[in-house]
Amino acid sequence: DIVLKQSPGTLSLSPGQRATLSCRPSQSISDKYLAWYQQKPGQAPRLLISGASKRVTGIPDRFSGGGSGTEFTLTISRLEPGDFAVYYCQLPGTFGQGTKVEFK
Amino acid sequence: EVQLVESGGGVIRPGGSLRLSCAASGFNFDDYGMSWVRQAPGKGPEWVSGVGWNEVTTGHSASVRGRFTVSRDNGKKSLYLLMTSLKAEDTALYYCVRAEGRDYDLPFDLWGQGTMVVVSA
Repeated sequence: DIVLKQSPGTLSLSPGQRATLSCRPSQSISDKYLAWYQQKPGQAPRLLISGASKRVTGIPDRFSGGGSGTEFTLTISRLEPGDFAVYYCQLPGTFGQGTKVEFK
Repeated sequence: EVQLVESGGGVIRPGGSLRLSCAASGFNFDDYGMSWVRQAPGKGPEWVSGVGWNEVTTGHSASVRGRFTVSRDNGKKSLYLLMTSLKAEDTALYYCVRAEGRDYDLPFDLWGQGTMVVVSA
């Protein structure tokens, strides 16, 4: 089974800063299967990106996804207060362990 | 309104059984694969089980295979999860989720609010 490793575990940043989150599958995958979710406390996860780089309708363009093979990234170009949350990458059948983006 | 509403959670003893239900509204239910995703307190999400649009194609994670059964009734716009031989490690918030297309293992673009299952003696 493919394992997804996310790093860092926690990212401490300030509003306006750039956040770069990493997701590394244990084996090379097609980018069409990689998705990213955002979860805030007390809420269900929300799909942000599918197919590694395709933003879901309504997701601001400060969120972007990229990568291929065994290295994928989610970038938030300029953090806004509502972006502080936990982010998960996902393949069919498995989620990463998450990266928490917190206020510095 | 486009939504998923789960029900059926509760407190159950180890070894017991429980049936979760999910009522869909606001979209063409039989155009989408559906899954159950659970999240234990303080942990990340875990895909549990899924069923394709046609009510036939199903899948289960290794941790629940042989104990859980997923099904759907397109006429009733409902998704179900029959959970048997429950263990303490099944304790979690169970979400009903919609896939982006007809296959259940596509990304999940709609989530319910979840129903809590607690397995405890």
